[in-house]
Amino acid sequence: QVQLQESGPGLVKPSQTLSLTCSVSGASITTGGFFWSWIRQPAGRGLEWIGRIHSSGNTNYNSSLKSRATISLDASKNQFSLKLSSVTAADTALYFCARVPVGGDTWATFEYWGRGTHITVSS
Amino acid sequence: ELVMTQSPATLSVSPGDRATLSCRASQSVPSNIAWYQQKPGQAPRLLIYATSTRATGIPARFSGSGSGTEFTLTISSLQSEDFAVYYCQQYNNWPPWYTFGQGTKLEIK
Repeated sequence: QVQLQESGPGLVKPSQTLSLTCSVSGASITTGGFFWSWIRQPAGRGLEWIGRIHSSGNTNYNSSLKSRATISLDASKNQFSLKLSSVTAADTALYFCARVPVGGDTWATFEYWGRGTHITVSS
Repeated sequence: ELVMTQSPATLSVSPGDRATLSCRASQSVPSNIAWYQQKPGQAPRLLIYATSTRATGIPARFSGSGSGTEFTLTISSLQSEDFAVYYCQQYNNWPPWYTFGQGTKLEIK
Protein backbone atom coordinates (compact mmCIF):
# COMPACT_ATOMS: atom_id res chain seq x y z
CA GLN A 1 0.00 0.00 0.00
CA VAL A 2 1.38 3.38 -1.03
CA GLN A 3 1.58 5.87 1.81
CA LEU A 4 2.71 9.48 1.84
CA GLN A 5 3.44 11.63 4.86
CA GLU A 6 4.18 15.33 4.90
CA SER A 7 6.42 17.04 7.42
CA GLY A 8 7.15 20.70 7.94
CA PRO A 9 7.91 23.46 10.47
CA GLY A 10 4.33 24.48 11.26
CA LEU A 11 5.19 28.16 11.52
CA VAL A 12 7.18 30.27 9.07
CA LYS A 13 7.95 33.99 9.23
CA PRO A 14 6.98 36.29 6.36
CA SER A 15 9.61 36.66 3.61
CA GLN A 16 11.30 33.40 4.65
CA THR A 17 11.45 30.14 2.68
CA LEU A 18 9.03 27.35 3.54
CA SER A 19 10.47 23.84 3.33
CA LEU A 20 8.29 20.73 3.32
CA THR A 21 9.12 17.06 2.88
CA CYS A 22 6.97 14.16 1.73
CA SER A 23 8.10 10.70 2.81
CA VAL A 24 6.90 7.87 0.59
CA SER A 25 6.50 4.21 1.55
CA GLY A 26 5.19 1.30 -0.48
CA ALA A 27 6.62 2.70 -3.72
CA SER A 28 9.91 4.04 -5.03
CA ILE A 29 9.92 7.65 -6.18
CA THR A 30 12.59 6.74 -8.73
CA THR A 31 10.34 4.27 -10.51
CA GLY A 32 9.03 5.79 -13.71
CA GLY A 33 5.37 6.19 -14.38
CA PHE A 34 4.41 8.68 -11.70
CA PHE A 35 4.45 12.36 -10.88
CA TRP A 36 4.88 13.42 -7.29
CA SER A 37 2.86 16.52 -6.55
CA TRP A 38 2.17 19.20 -3.97
CA ILE A 39 -1.29 20.70 -3.42
CA ARG A 40 -2.42 23.21 -0.82
CA GLN A 41 -5.70 24.24 0.77
CA PRO A 42 -6.20 27.48 2.70
CA ALA A 43 -8.55 27.09 5.65
CA GLY A 44 -12.16 26.77 4.51
CA ARG A 45 -11.22 27.02 0.86
CA GLY A 46 -10.58 24.84 -2.17
CA LEU A 47 -7.57 22.99 -3.51
CA GLU A 48 -4.71 24.55 -5.45
CA TRP A 49 -2.09 22.54 -7.34
CA ILE A 50 1.42 23.82 -6.63
CA GLY A 51 3.65 21.67 -8.80
CA ARG A 52 4.97 18.21 -9.62
CA ILE A 53 8.17 16.28 -10.21
CA HIS A 54 8.78 13.14 -12.24
CA SER A 55 11.26 10.42 -11.29
CA SER A 56 13.45 11.78 -14.09
CA GLY A 57 13.67 15.07 -12.21
CA ASN A 58 11.53 17.05 -14.63
CA THR A 59 9.34 19.60 -12.88
CA ASN A 60 6.27 21.69 -13.64
CA TYR A 61 4.75 24.44 -11.52
CA ASN A 62 1.60 26.50 -11.14
CA SER A 63 2.56 29.78 -12.81
CA SER A 64 0.49 31.76 -10.28
CA LEU A 65 3.25 31.11 -7.73
CA LYS A 66 5.53 33.29 -9.83
CA SER A 67 8.56 30.98 -9.73
CA ARG A 68 8.65 30.88 -5.91
CA ALA A 69 8.22 27.09 -5.79
CA THR A 70 10.95 24.47 -6.20
CA ILE A 71 10.34 20.71 -5.97
CA SER A 72 13.15 18.19 -5.69
CA LEU A 73 13.72 14.46 -5.14
CA ASP A 74 15.88 12.70 -2.56
CA ALA A 75 16.13 9.14 -3.83
CA SER A 76 18.31 7.98 -0.94
CA LYS A 77 15.50 8.78 1.50
CA ASN A 78 12.60 8.06 -0.87
CA GLN A 79 11.34 11.58 -0.29
CA PHE A 80 10.47 14.63 -2.31
CA SER A 81 10.45 18.19 -1.11
CA LEU A 82 8.89 21.59 -1.69
CA LYS A 83 10.56 24.92 -1.11
CA LEU A 84 8.42 28.04 -1.35
CA SER A 85 10.32 31.31 -1.11
CA SER A 86 9.26 34.79 0.00
CA VAL A 87 6.20 33.55 1.84
CA THR A 88 3.37 35.80 2.95
CA ALA A 89 0.22 35.28 4.97
CA ALA A 90 -1.47 34.20 1.74
CA ASP A 91 0.67 31.04 1.81
CA THR A 92 -0.93 29.91 5.08
CA ALA A 93 -2.61 26.62 4.24
CA LEU A 94 -2.80 22.88 4.68
CA TYR A 95 -0.20 21.38 2.35
CA PHE A 96 -0.67 17.92 0.83
CA CYS A 97 1.61 15.69 -1.19
CA ALA A 98 0.15 13.21 -3.65
CA ARG A 99 1.00 10.71 -6.39
CA VAL A 100 -0.27 11.08 -9.93
CA PRO A 101 0.08 8.31 -12.55
CA VAL A 102 1.59 9.34 -15.86
CA GLY A 103 -0.53 6.82 -17.74
CA GLY A 104 -3.02 4.03 -17.25
CA ASP A 105 -6.66 4.24 -16.25
CA THR A 106 -6.14 6.74 -13.43
CA TRP A 107 -3.68 8.99 -15.25
CA ALA A 108 -3.72 12.64 -14.26
CA THR A 109 -5.62 11.93 -11.03
CA PHE A 110 -4.36 12.31 -7.49
CA GLU A 111 -4.72 8.69 -6.48
CA TYR A 112 -2.77 8.68 -3.20
CA TRP A 113 -2.55 11.57 -0.76
CA GLY A 114 -0.77 12.34 2.46
CA ARG A 115 -2.79 13.57 5.43
CA GLY A 116 -1.45 17.09 5.08
CA THR A 117 0.62 19.42 7.20
CA HIS A 118 -0.54 22.81 8.46
CA ILE A 119 1.65 25.81 7.67
CA THR A 120 1.06 29.23 9.19
CA VAL A 121 2.96 32.27 7.96
CA SER A 122 3.17 34.79 10.74
CA SER A 123 5.74 36.94 12.52
CA GLU B 1 -6.96 29.58 -18.21
CA LEU B 2 -9.55 26.87 -17.78
CA VAL B 3 -11.84 27.40 -14.78
CA MET B 4 -13.98 24.66 -13.21
CA THR B 5 -17.16 25.96 -11.55
CA GLN B 6 -19.11 23.71 -9.22
CA SER B 7 -22.73 24.17 -8.28
CA PRO B 8 -24.37 24.49 -5.97
CA ALA B 9 -21.86 25.65 -3.37
CA THR B 10 -23.93 23.88 -0.70
CA LEU B 11 -26.49 21.15 -1.24
CA SER B 12 -28.87 20.06 1.52
CA VAL B 13 -30.25 16.56 1.04
CA SER B 14 -31.98 14.04 3.27
CA PRO B 15 -30.41 10.60 3.88
CA GLY B 16 -31.74 8.12 1.35
CA ASP B 17 -32.38 10.81 -1.26
CA ARG B 18 -30.50 11.40 -4.48
CA ALA B 19 -27.85 14.11 -4.82
CA THR B 20 -26.71 15.64 -8.10
CA LEU B 21 -23.56 17.77 -8.13
CA SER B 22 -22.53 19.81 -11.15
CA CYS B 23 -19.12 20.82 -12.51
CA ARG B 24 -18.91 23.18 -15.45
CA ALA B 25 -15.74 24.01 -17.37
CA SER B 26 -15.12 27.44 -18.87
CA GLN B 27 -14.08 25.76 -22.12
CA SER B 28 -14.30 22.28 -23.52
CA VAL B 29 -12.22 19.96 -21.39
CA PRO B 30 -9.46 18.23 -23.39
CA SER B 31 -9.39 15.22 -21.13
CA ASN B 32 -11.51 13.36 -18.63
CA ILE B 33 -12.26 14.70 -15.18
CA ALA B 34 -12.04 13.24 -11.69
CA TRP B 35 -14.11 13.67 -8.53
CA TYR B 36 -12.87 13.65 -4.94
CA GLN B 37 -14.57 13.47 -1.56
CA GLN B 38 -13.09 15.32 1.42
CA LYS B 39 -14.24 14.98 5.01
CA PRO B 40 -13.20 17.39 7.77
CA GLY B 41 -9.60 16.91 8.83
CA GLN B 42 -8.90 14.39 6.06
CA ALA B 43 -7.17 14.38 2.72
CA PRO B 44 -9.35 14.20 -0.39
CA ARG B 45 -10.17 10.70 -1.59
CA LEU B 46 -10.43 9.78 -5.27
CA LEU B 47 -14.00 8.73 -6.10
CA ILE B 48 -14.32 8.85 -9.87
CA TYR B 49 -11.71 8.98 -12.63
CA ALA B 50 -12.01 9.17 -16.41
CA THR B 51 -15.33 11.03 -15.85
CA SER B 52 -17.37 7.92 -15.02
CA THR B 53 -15.21 5.11 -13.56
CA ARG B 54 -15.39 4.45 -9.84
CA ALA B 55 -12.08 4.18 -8.02
CA THR B 56 -11.25 1.04 -6.08
CA GLY B 57 -13.59 0.48 -3.15
CA ILE B 58 -16.06 3.22 -4.08
CA PRO B 59 -19.70 2.08 -3.69
CA ALA B 60 -21.92 1.75 -6.73
CA ARG B 61 -24.23 4.52 -5.50
CA PHE B 62 -21.59 6.97 -6.78
CA SER B 63 -21.66 7.65 -10.51
CA GLY B 64 -20.12 10.21 -12.82
CA SER B 65 -21.13 11.42 -16.26
CA GLY B 66 -20.68 14.22 -18.74
CA SER B 67 -18.51 15.53 -21.53
CA GLY B 68 -17.31 18.76 -23.09
CA THR B 69 -18.03 21.42 -20.50
CA GLU B 70 -20.70 19.79 -18.33
CA PHE B 71 -20.03 17.06 -15.80
CA THR B 72 -22.12 15.53 -13.04
CA LEU B 73 -21.53 13.46 -9.92
CA THR B 74 -24.62 11.60 -8.73
CA ILE B 75 -25.06 9.83 -5.42
CA SER B 76 -28.13 7.67 -5.75
CA SER B 77 -29.14 7.08 -2.13
CA LEU B 78 -27.28 9.18 0.40
CA GLN B 79 -25.74 7.47 3.39
CA SER B 80 -24.63 9.30 6.52
CA GLU B 81 -20.97 8.86 5.57
CA ASP B 82 -21.51 10.65 2.24
CA PHE B 83 -21.96 14.09 3.78
CA ALA B 84 -18.72 15.84 2.87
CA VAL B 85 -17.22 18.29 0.38
CA TYR B 86 -16.83 17.14 -3.22
CA TYR B 87 -14.35 18.50 -5.75
CA CYS B 88 -14.06 18.03 -9.48
CA GLN B 89 -10.63 18.15 -11.10
CA GLN B 90 -9.39 18.54 -14.66
CA TYR B 91 -5.97 18.19 -16.23
CA ASN B 92 -4.54 20.38 -18.96
CA ASN B 93 -1.84 18.67 -20.97
CA TRP B 94 0.15 21.77 -21.97
CA PRO B 95 1.21 23.63 -20.07
CA PRO B 96 0.75 20.92 -17.47
CA TRP B 97 -1.87 22.16 -15.06
CA TYR B 98 -4.34 20.57 -12.67
CA THR B 99 -7.46 22.59 -11.90
CA PHE B 100 -9.94 21.91 -9.12
CA GLY B 101 -13.44 23.25 -8.77
CA GLN B 102 -14.16 25.27 -5.67
CA GLY B 103 -16.14 22.40 -4.13
CA THR B 104 -19.73 21.51 -3.23
CA LYS B 105 -20.56 20.92 0.40
CA LEU B 106 -23.13 18.18 0.77
CA GLU B 107 -24.95 18.60 4.07
CA ILE B 108 -27.74 16.81 5.88
CA LYS B 109 -31.18 18.32 5.42
